[in-house]
Amino acid sequence: DVKVTQSSRYLVKRTGEKVFLECVQDMDHENMFWYRQDPGLGLRLIYFSYDVKMKEKGDIPEGYSVSREKKERFSLILESASTNQTSMYLCASRPGAKAEQYFGPGTRLTVT
Amino acid sequence: GENVEQHPSTLSVQEGDSAVIKCTYSDSASNYFPWYKQELGKRPQLIIDIRSNVGEKKDQRIAVTLNKTAKHFSLHITETQPEDSAVYFCAPKRGLSSGSARQLTFGSGTQLTVLP
Repeated sequence: DVKVTQSSRYLVKRTGEKVFLECVQDMDHENMFWYRQDPGLGLRLIYFSYDVKMKEKGDIPEGYSVSREKKERFSLILESASTNQTSMYLCASRPGAKAEQYFGPGTRLTVT
Repeated sequence: GENVEQHPSTLSVQEGDSAVIKCTYSDSASNYFPWYKQELGKRPQLIIDIRSNVGEKKDQRIAVTLNKTAKHFSLHITETQPEDSAVYFCAPKRGLSSGSARQLTFGSGTQLTVLP
């Protein structure tokens, strides 16, 4: 069974704080993704990575950065959290040769 | 990039009735067409997918049909049950070997409510 885990289910941070969201997968998947999910907007891709130390911008990368130092771990960083980054953040992974994406349980981030 | 639209955004049906959700896409090179289901408070999970060399695929009560000419594909759920209540997302994409298309572009989702 593929397992994708995220470091926190709920997180409350203050405006201006630096925030780290961690995602770990245990199936040696090449591709990893970070999405945010907001009502009526579906799943929007922030960043993705197809290999260690490789990253590509998604549709809404502004205000975010990522890090992939090890194959199993993909981190999303909010350099200076703002209230408009309050959202549900979903991590996903996918093996290189397959199409199905496996999602983590999500992190509900609130920025006050 | 891919422009994806889903309709309707919300759908309520009586238990036992059928539900149909449509996904329209813009990239004519798309050749993989999945549907994901996200139950309340849970993560999205793939429920059915189809490739462009097939016009229809069925798995028990769910089916996906594809019209490549018109660039849309649909999710069909028959004999709906309360546990079908969820948000459904489509995510058409190009072939996996295309570097710029490694990512999925998700539709905005359809909230399906099955009324008992």
